[in-house]
Amino acid sequence: QLQLQESGSGLVKPSQTLSLTCAVSGGSISSGGYSWSWIRQPPGKGLEWIGYIYHSGSTYYNPSLKSRVTISVDRSKNQFSLKLSSVTAADTAVYYCARVDGWFDPWGQGTLVTVSS
Amino acid sequence: SYVLTQPPSVSVAPGQTARITCGGNNIGSKSVHWYQQKPGQAPVLVVYDDSDRPSGIPERFSGSNSGNTATLTISRVEAGDEADYYCQVWDSSSDHPAFGGGTKLTVL
Repeated sequence: QLQLQESGSGLVKPSQTLSLTCAVSGGSISSGGYSWSWIRQPPGKGLEWIGYIYHSGSTYYNPSLKSRVTISVDRSKNQFSLKLSSVTAADTAVYYCARVDGWFDPWGQGTLVTVSS
Repeated sequence: SYVLTQPPSVSVAPGQTARITCGGNNIGSKSVHWYQQKPGQAPVLVVYDDSDRPSGIPERFSGSNSGNTATLTISRVEAGDEADYYCQVWDSSSDHPAFGGGTKLTVL
C-alpha cells in the first residue's frame, strides 16, 4: 500500500524559504507514470493546489505561487520536495503531498508550517 | 482558471440522504472527484471519475455529473459522515487542477 509522509521545518521566519520533503513508501516514485503534487490548507480554510511534478520531470505550478515555488524529485531516495521562497504569514498552512492520477490519492498526513519571527 | 462552487454547509438527519453539489461551467464534460476531510485529518478520496468508488469506500457514497452540476450523494447518513467535502476537476485548458471551496456536512 502506497504511503506518503511529509517532513521539514515546522517554523519558518518571514522572507525565508520553506522546505519540505515527501517520502514515498510501498511503491516506486518512478513507476506507473504518475505525477506528484503539493497542496496546502491555511487554518480554517479550503484546499489550495501548489504544484506538481510530472513523471517526465516537467513541473506545473499554481500561477499565484509560480514565482516562488520549486518542486523537484529525488528518484534515488524515492521522494519529492517543495521549496517556497520569500514566505509571509499568509503561507502559514498545513502542507500535504499526494500522488496524482487526475485525482489526488493517496495523501500524506500533512505537516503544519507556521511563518513567524 | 476554472471555478467550482459548493454550498458552504449542508445539514441532514441520521438515516437520511445528503446531497452536496458542485457547480461549474459545463462541468458535465469533465471528470469530477470528491474528497472527505474530517477534523485534523488529511482528505480522503471517496469518489473519482464522477461516480466510481475507491476500494474501502462504502456504497452509500455515490456521485453523478451532468450539465453544470455534479452531485455527491450520501445515503443513510451516519454520524461518522460529518466532515468537510471537496470536489475537484482537472482543467485541461491550463493542465491544472481546481478545487471547490468545500462543504461542511452536519449530521443533526
